This record gives sequence, structure tokens and C-alpha cells, in this order.
Amino acid sequence: DVKVTQSSRYLVKRTGEKVFLECVQDMDHENMFWYRQDPGLGLRLIYFSYDVKMKEKGDIPEGYSVSREKKERFSLILESASTNQTSMYLCASSSPRDRDNSNQPQHFGDGTRLSIL
Amino acid sequence: AQSVTQPDIHITVSEGASLELRCNYSYGATPYLFWYVQSPGQGLQLLLKYFSGDTLVQGIKGFEAEFKRSQSSFNLRKPSVHWSDAAEYFCAVRDPNGSFQKLVFGTGTRLLVSP
Repeated sequence: DVKVTQSSRYLVKRTGEKVFLECVQDMDHENMFWYRQDPGLGLRLIYFSYDVKMKEKGDIPEGYSVSREKKERFSLILESASTNQTSMYLCASSSPRDRDNSNQPQHFGDGTRLSIL
Repeated sequence: AQSVTQPDIHITVSEGASLELRCNYSYGATPYLFWYVQSPGQGLQLLLKYFSGDTLVQGIKGFEAEFKRSQSSFNLRKPSVHWSDAAEYFCAVRDPNGSFQKLVFGTGTRLLVSP
């Protein structure tokens, strides 16, 4: 089974801090994604990456950056955390093709609940 | 641009009763369609997906969904709900011709199961 691991389940940081959220997948997936989940808003895409060192902005990239130095790891960075970034953050990965040459869905980690005080 | 509407924020169903969660999408052609479930404190787990072919798709945990092109809908159903089905359910769509397998999610429906 695909395993997507987010390094922290809960995180509390202070306003202005630089925050790193880490995500690792073990299935050699090309694509990786960061979402934030807020009540009533569903999941919104922050950034995604389709290859090492490649990144694309999602729908709400402001205040965030990402890093993908290795294929299995995708980091989300809050350059200067603010209270409106308090949220649940979900990482996902996928591959364009699987053994049966089908398009595969995204596989999700368990999420990081981040509180900015 | 694609969009997904889940009109019900909350639904309460008695244990053993049937369930239908609604999902409507806006897209020029037939997108790829997904249902995910999120149990409390967990990430999202794929229930089922539709790419093409038979419009009634079977998923895990006894769930099924029916794609209706004329109604732009992909409603999720289960004949008999169990207390363990209480969770949040997300419908999602993907452009079959899009790159990078980006998903667009609905806002979710929280299912409550009463005894």
C-alpha cells in the first residue's frame, strides 16, 4: 500500500515564525500536493510538484513556499506564520501511470493540524 | 474552470437506513470523478472512482456511486449505514486531459449516524 507520512500530527507555532511541514511518500510517485482544509471550504490546493525541484502554484499559494529536493519528500514552508494560516494541512501523492497504465488517484497523509498563536 | 457542489453540509441518518450523498459538478466534458472519506483525525481515503464505462461504480465499505451525465451528478449511496460510517465525505473531479492529476474538491458533507 502507498504510504504518505506527514512528520507532525499537531504543531503549535508563534506568529512570525518560519514553519516547515514535511511529507514523505514511499511509492516513487512523481506528483506531490499540499492542501489546506478549513471547515466549509473543503480542500484547497496550495502548491504541487510534478518532479524533483519542479513546483507549481495551486489556488492559494500566498504566504507559502515549497521545496522538493528529493523525489520522496515535499516540504511546505510558511515563511512568516500568521494566525490566518491556522488550519489542517494535508499532503498527497500520485503517479500518472500505474502498472495497469491507469491514471491513479491521489493518496493522502493523515494531516498536520497547525495552530499559529 | 471545474467546480464541485456538495449541497448538504450535514446529513443525519439512522443506523441501518439507506444513504445518498449528493455531488454535482461543472465541467465542459465528462471529468474523472472521485469520492473520498475522512474519518475524524485522519487523512482522506479513496472510496471509489469513475473514469469511463459502466456508470454505476462499486467502492469499498459497501459504497456505490452513479454517474449521470444528464444531471452532471455523481451521487454516493449505501443501502444500510453503519455507525462506523460517520465521517466527512468529499466529492472531487479531475480534468481527464489536464496535467499533473490535479483535483478539485467539493466542500464536503458530514455524515452523522444516529442509533
